[in-house]
Amino acid sequence: DAGVIQSPRHEVTEMGQEVTLRCKPISGHNSLFWYRQTMMRGLELLIYFNNNVPIDDSGMPEDRFSAKMPNASFSTLKIQPSEPRDSAVYFCASSLALLSRNSYNEQFFGPGTRLTVL
Amino acid sequence: AQSVTQLGSHVSVSEGALVLLRCNYSSSVPPYLFWYVQYPNQGLQLLLKYTSAATLVKGINGFEAEFKKSETSFHLTKPSAHMSDAAEYFCAVIQTGANNLFFGTGTRLTVIP
Repeated sequence: DAGVIQSPRHEVTEMGQEVTLRCKPISGHNSLFWYRQTMMRGLELLIYFNNNVPIDDSGMPEDRFSAKMPNASFSTLKIQPSEPRDSAVYFCASSLALLSRNSYNEQFFGPGTRLTVL
Repeated sequence: AQSVTQLGSHVSVSEGALVLLRCNYSSSVPPYLFWYVQYPNQGLQLLLKYTSAATLVKGINGFEAEFKKSETSFHLTKPSAHMSDAAEYFCAVIQTGANNLFFGTGTRLTVIP
């Protein structure tokens, strides 16, 4: 299995530009997560999907951020317009969906996209 | 609300010495707890997890962690550090029923030859 695939691995853009980050989850996984890692805030969950439906987007910083999952094998995280404070590493992770409230399924992380907004 | 606190943002040990990375959790119900490792410019890899079975959990690369309810701790240990253990380590807790992880601030481990 190729694991979680993210593209691009590195993105450098100028303030005000639109940025689109892409993620392909592991085949058969039906939960997908977007995380952001910064020095100031550490690792934080932005949004997660179950069966392509957004379940919790309370971590999305503001309206400039949007995420979609049009099908089970693809998700995007878009920032429009981008700002220097958005510079971070963005991770995508996927897992099987929970079978019950007391269960857990391991999340598998992609290599991340390092975003720099100048 | 569930959260974890990692004590010490940087830990340095000599090669061959004991590794001890500290994590304390805050949870109103028995949590699921995890340790992840992040090597430079890579994603996170699961080292081990506690899911209310055995309190002493063994993971990959010789790491283990012990769940201590009385101390609300889940410290990560390895008897003998290797140069390849140099990385950042994250403790994390699951939000029950939601499957999303809450991470600690991370501890960067340096191994001195």
